[in-house]
This record gives sequence, C-alpha cells and structure tokens, in this order.
Amino acid sequence: QQQVKQSPQSLIVQKGGISIINCAYENTAFDYFPWYQQFPGKGPALLIAIRPDVSEKKEGRFTISFNKSAKQFSLHIMDSQPGDSATYFCAASQGFQKLVFGTGTRLLVSP
Amino acid sequence: GAVVSQHPSWVICKSGTSVKIECRSLDFQATTMFWYRQFPKQSLMLMATSNEGSKATYEQGVEKDKFLINHASLTLSTLTVTSAHPEDSSFYICTQGGGVVNYGYTFGSGTRLTVV
Repeated sequence: QQQVKQSPQSLIVQKGGISIINCAYENTAFDYFPWYQQFPGKGPALLIAIRPDVSEKKEGRFTISFNKSAKQFSLHIMDSQPGDSATYFCAASQGFQKLVFGTGTRLLVSP
Repeated sequence: GAVVSQHPSWVICKSGTSVKIECRSLDFQATTMFWYRQFPKQSLMLMATSNEGSKATYEQGVEKDKFLINHASLTLSTLTVTSAHPEDSSFYICTQGGGVVNYGYTFGSGTRLTVV
C-alpha cells in the first residue's frame, strides 16, 4: 500500500517557535521525500527534499530529519513566522514516478 | 529551471459541458505528466499518469471516459473534463515527471474548475 501518513492535521505555533510536522511511509522502495508548502488558491511549492541515504538536511530555517529504519521523516521550521502560515504536505516517490502525498498539515503561526 | 505552464488558471462552466486544461513544459521535454485533483482542505490525489504517445494510466476510481488525457507531444499534456458536473468542481494541477531537469517535480500553477 503506497500511503504516506502525516500528523498533526493542524498546528498552532507562536512566532519564533519551532513547528514540527511528521510523516510515516510504508513503501521501502520510496527514494525521494519532499515537503511542499501551499497557500490558498496556489499550487504546492517545494520547500526541501531528502534522499534516504541522508539522515538530515537543512536549508535555511527548514530541516528534514529522516529515519530510514523507522520509515519516518519530519519537517522542522525554526523561528516560525506568520508568513509561514500555510498548509504543508509531505510526499514520497520511487524513481521519480508518481508522488504520493500526505494528508496535509495546516500551520498557523500566531504573531 | 524547469517550467510547466498550466492554463486556464480558473474556469467556470455549465453542468454538462466539457472543459480542457492544458499543461505545457516550456523548456524541457516531458515524457510523463502526472495529473492531480485537490478538493478544498484536502490533499492532492493522483488522477492519472500521461505518457507521451501512449494511453494514460488512471488511478483506481477515476473514470477514464470522463477525464480524457492526451499527451500527443513531448511538451503538451491535456486533461479534458467531459460532461462536467458540480461534483467535478476542484483544483486540478499537473506536474512533470520528476528528475528530468531540476532533480524534482515541477508543478503547474493549477486550474480552479467550478461547475455551475
């Protein structure tokens, strides 16, 4: 079953705090794990992505932590800002074939 | 980087009519295009995979006779919603098969379809 489970469904974080979103997958053949940010009425925009041979990747305030044995990966947003308020999706694919998306997390960063 | 141009960005149509959505890869040749549908406050669900020069592959539960996909060239894939009904109102978005140019997937800007 090619599913990606995402939690939490919604998240409220104070400005300057850390936002953490978690995902778990089942298909061990997945080899590409991106995170997307989506604003209302817009398409998803790639934030950061990781391959399974790396346990962590950081780009600016965004970090992916990857645990291959547990089949889990997470997104950390450091110093969260009100402008980060959006819906975040994790996803996974094998060999750059179809992307399977998580259910999404609605993040609200309070001023 | 890779660019996928999707048109129209929004469309309103009457129930029973057909609507065509186009996705063009502007600076690369896309042999594969994935079509997704997103209902309000839900995730992106894959509808079908279009392959240049061959029949599209549809996901389970997606009516291939209702959602016609054509990928006649390496730069153009189209999705036609035939005999649209209000329940087809959704956000449709395409993405090129990843890893071709920019190590990842490039999404079109999406089409908001409203059927009245």
